[in-house]
Amino acid sequence: QKEVEQDPGPLSVPEGAIVSLNCTYSNSAFQYFMWYRQYSRKGPELLMYTYSSGNKEDGRFTAQVDKSSKYISLFIRDSQPSDSATYLCAMKTPPLGGNNRKLIWGLGTSLAVNP
Amino acid sequence: NAGVMQNPRHLVRRRGQEARLRCSPMKGHSHVYWYRQLPEEGLKFMVYLQKENIIDESGMPKERFSAEFPKEGPSILRIQQVVRGDSAAYFCASSPQFREELFFGSGTQLSVL
Repeated sequence: QKEVEQDPGPLSVPEGAIVSLNCTYSNSAFQYFMWYRQYSRKGPELLMYTYSSGNKEDGRFTAQVDKSSKYISLFIRDSQPSDSATYLCAMKTPPLGGNNRKLIWGLGTSLAVNP
Repeated sequence: NAGVMQNPRHLVRRRGQEARLRCSPMKGHSHVYWYRQLPEEGLKFMVYLQKENIIDESGMPKERFSAEFPKEGPSILRIQQVVRGDSAAYFCASSPQFREELFFGSGTQLSVL
């Protein structure tokens, strides 16, 4: 079993839809959770960074962490064609800082938002 | 403020040759990371470096692969005697000293013939 599971999709939605992207994980020691967006032939770009459980909102994006279920989500409201990309979840164990910088990544979910 | 710069963007090597991938971190960033990405495997951590020091190379294959981040100049990922299985996208990322958000370059696509 992989440490981080993510449905690769592809996910296709009409413009304006609410998109829900998810990852599950098996290591209960993960405390830091990130969502990255990757456009074709580009490097990943950080979207959201959350610590432990709860919600975090930034514009049209909301990140949600449920540590009891080992489940994280990224919601995109009012999706736009420019949101078409691959979305990657990543996570790590404590401590923050120091020499432990290894992120564990999901495979990514491919999203297409159709005009 | 330039982002993370990687070169070359594309690199073609024949089996047995050496590949050198370069990465210049964002200005002010003292931490560099190398990742490899394959469609069926996703992003895999290879190595984490600070200036003149390898901090964590637990994801690096024991043979043929090496990385450095000298006091002056870019970070270099070197792959000696490349094999077809080394074909992948190699991404470099950097972060500031006291933060862990990674800023990625656009990657080097290595193709081994």
